[in-house]
Amino acid sequence: DAGITQSPRYKITETGRQVTLMCHQTWSHSYMFWYRQDLGHGLRLIYYSAAADITDKGEVPDGYVVSRSKTENFPLTLESATRSQTSVYFCASNLHGPSSTDTQYFGPGTRLTVL
Amino acid sequence: AQSVSQHNHHVILSEAASLELGCNYSYGGTVNLFWYVQYPGQHLQLLLKYFSGDPLVKGIKGFEAEFIKSKFSFNLRKPSVQWSDTAEYFCAVNADAGGTSYGKLTFGQGTILTVHP
Repeated sequence: DAGITQSPRYKITETGRQVTLMCHQTWSHSYMFWYRQDLGHGLRLIYYSAAADITDKGEVPDGYVVSRSKTENFPLTLESATRSQTSVYFCASNLHGPSSTDTQYFGPGTRLTVL
Repeated sequence: AQSVSQHNHHVILSEAASLELGCNYSYGGTVNLFWYVQYPGQHLQLLLKYFSGDPLVKGIKGFEAEFIKSKFSFNLRKPSVQWSDTAEYFCAVNADAGGTSYGKLTFGQGTILTVHP
């Protein structure tokens, strides 16, 4: 039972480079989410997806792009990384969306440093 | 827009002490409430959640939380903490946005709990 996996777990990149963070879940959950975790801000939603090919912006979407061609994968791309995107990124999923009684499950996180 | 406030950034306790972490939210409608825990080096795990019914909710590892609608609060409690409770705790709120299938999950800033043996 793999659950949610994220790769890479750690990434160091330079300003201006494109970076893609991968998220894979094995439960066939409909809803998937990307959050960033920053000291003093808790977790903030970047993008979410209600199903394959359906995505929408969250609280802090600027500078990020997502896609969802397959239910189990939800990659997050930083098109041109900036230092302000240095953060820990968490992917999450649940079956019916957070308004339901489902539990939202989180991946282990990716620690991204932009130099 | 909804917001969540956790009163304490860092709480330090000795083992066997009682714990109460504050959480207040701002939203006037129906809400779903959560407490998540993040142990050092691990991902977030659900401690407990409230959707409806009894406002006193019991979760895993001896934690409980009480929803007080009039105070817009959902404080987390544990009568006797252990060293293994050292972690960061997040309160989260999901507003039932007019009954649509998705309502944004908003997290508080987090409270770091350090328990000394």
